[in-house]
Amino acid sequence: GENVGLHLPTLSVQEGDNSIINCAYSNSASDYFIWYKQESGKGPQFIIDIRSNMDKRQGQRVTVLLNKTVKHLSLQIAATQPGDSAVYFCAENRVGAGGTSYGKLTFGQGTILTVHP
Amino acid sequence: SQTIHQWPATLVQPVGSPLSLECTVEGTSNPNLYWYRQAAGRGLQLLFYSVGIGQISSEVPQNLSASRPQDRQFILSSKKLLLSDSGFYLCALDRDGSPLHFGNGTRLTVT
Repeated sequence: GENVGLHLPTLSVQEGDNSIINCAYSNSASDYFIWYKQESGKGPQFIIDIRSNMDKRQGQRVTVLLNKTVKHLSLQIAATQPGDSAVYFCAENRVGAGGTSYGKLTFGQGTILTVHP
Repeated sequence: SQTIHQWPATLVQPVGSPLSLECTVEGTSNPNLYWYRQAAGRGLQLLFYSVGIGQISSEVPQNLSASRPQDRQFILSSKKLLLSDSGFYLCALDRDGSPLHFGNGTRLTVT
């Protein structure tokens, strides 16, 4: 079946650096992508999402880039802080126009981000 | 704001015993509700989702079942647990195209 996967399972950065977490997806019909942050023992926390009609979306200190040509998704975290240390998951869905099943997500395996002070 | 309550937070059950995990939500009505499972060091896998009371869709064949007796209550059950049922079970909701929002999960260990 279709799947979403990550290029790097671990990423270590220094506090203040920018972090880039990458994700590849294989379902060309996917039109909704989302990033989650998961801290140990907790449920995933929404970071940012993007629809396939966009190639970039910015939030507070985070930017998601979508390259549909190569089926690649990335999450950029600016000025990474120790509190950003967590596992980051990308996920995808095929929602369609007027769709409502945003929650039927296919998740990647996750990237462990470690921020050193 | 939307809140998801899951209990218990951790659970240790012997093989062959029954299971009932409860999820209740606050701050919204008519949500879509989901059960996901996360194996150790892995991503999340969708098990069940529900668009309304009594409406359950199963995504993968398994030893588990789900029920939605009330609008804001979603229950995950098993009659006889298997070792392979161990994992982190997460309830989630969305509504009207909002991003999926997760609870803090129940960690189940089957011994």
